[in-house]
Amino acid sequence: GESVGLHLPTLSVQEGDNSIINCAYSNSASDYFIWYKQESGKGPQFIIDIRSNMDKRQGQRVTVLLNKTVKHLSLQIAATQPGDSAVYFCAERRRYKLIFGSGTRLLVRP
Amino acid sequence: EAGVVQSPRYKIIEKKQPVAFWCNPISGHNTLYWYLQNLGQGPELLIRYENEEAVDDSQLPKDRFSAERLKGVDSTLKIQPAELGDSAVYLCASSSGLLNNEQFFGPGTRLTVL
Repeated sequence: GESVGLHLPTLSVQEGDNSIINCAYSNSASDYFIWYKQESGKGPQFIIDIRSNMDKRQGQRVTVLLNKTVKHLSLQIAATQPGDSAVYFCAERRRYKLIFGSGTRLLVRP
Repeated sequence: EAGVVQSPRYKIIEKKQPVAFWCNPISGHNTLYWYLQNLGQGPELLIRYENEEAVDDSQLPKDRFSAERLKGVDSTLKIQPAELGDSAVYLCASSSGLLNNEQFFGPGTRLTVL
């Protein structure tokens, strides 16, 4: 089926450690993969995207890795901060439409 | 710069009643989206506008849902009549172009149908 899913519903990390949030996808026709962050009571916020012909892209404290062989996407957050606590969604773009997964909650322990 | 504005933030109605949600996108953004988000799930697209034209409404349940963006700026999403299963958060988003992966979301309207 056409779905974007996440391996772990909740991830707990120590402040200052690196976080890795994983996502599996099933449709190879997507041209972009995108990560969004959603804090409680707010709408999702764009973090970073990666084109389907790339395998790595870096932003500020974040890195997205794309493994098309196993249809796997990950978001790495360096030096995780309390402000990173949120739900993270991966999404894939298919014909200008974003298909979101079900989200992973990131909890940052002080 | 003001973000996407939505109102109301919360709405509680009884089933079979009508309800409307309003969205004002970021100034200059031609593309406007309405999404539905159930608890613990990612947003699901209901309808996408390019200016005043609905270019993708394939996921909009047209028997009870309707939307409009008459002047290509703000938009209204309506449900009539509401059902218990419509309880969810309704998100509005806008972007500056069709190819822009960065959609700017409003805070959403949390609808509870009793």
